[in-house]
Amino acid sequence: DSGVTQTPKHLITATGQRVTLRCSPRSGDLSVYWYQQSLDQGLQFLIQYYNGEERAKGNILERFSAQQFPDLHSELNLSSLELGDSALYFCASSEGVDGETQYFGPGTRLLVL
Amino acid sequence: GESVGLHLPTLSVQEGDNSIINCAYSNSASDYFIWYKQESGKGPQFIIDIRSNMDKRQGQRVTVLLNKTVKHLSLQIAATQPGDSAVYFCAETSVWGGSEKLVFGKGTKLTVNP
Repeated sequence: DSGVTQTPKHLITATGQRVTLRCSPRSGDLSVYWYQQSLDQGLQFLIQYYNGEERAKGNILERFSAQQFPDLHSELNLSSLELGDSALYFCASSEGVDGETQYFGPGTRLLVL
Repeated sequence: GESVGLHLPTLSVQEGDNSIINCAYSNSASDYFIWYKQESGKGPQFIIDIRSNMDKRQGQRVTVLLNKTVKHLSLQIAATQPGDSAVYFCAETSVWGGSEKLVFGKGTKLTVNP
């Protein structure tokens, strides 16, 4: 158990809908990262927050957004969902801001029908 | 663009044998590397890391070797066990908008046969 929690574990929705994924980092970790994992793309970095502020953006679509709250939990919002958004979404956390080991949550499996 | 990749997508070994998983990276400026293990249905799990000022680092039954000359990283697992069956990812640091981030390779699937 990494100490990172994610909810829900599974999510099934329809195209055009909007969903919110939630992540709670390990106690004491200030950075939260979001990744998308699909069969053909592997693990793709989406976005990082550090202590409530956006720190870095990766391959995140404009239909996707995230935020980190004062209690350091984070939410990833996915809107106007498309079939191709079906994937595993992982949250990871680390203590600091750069170049550190990231600890991953169990992931949320999203299926868009 | 710069990327991290794995030489072999699959590796099958007998229980008790040693396993070697390889990774090539192209960013010569990378200074931090991590190996992750991902079991089916679970999130990636940290195994071992190494910084660029080291050539070798050992953990419990695992060793990571770094060859900066040829930009090659390997993970050695001693006395491989069925529980080692998983997908293994190497990751390197890369700069995104002025901040360091981890970039993951596609992964190698290790299967341990009893």
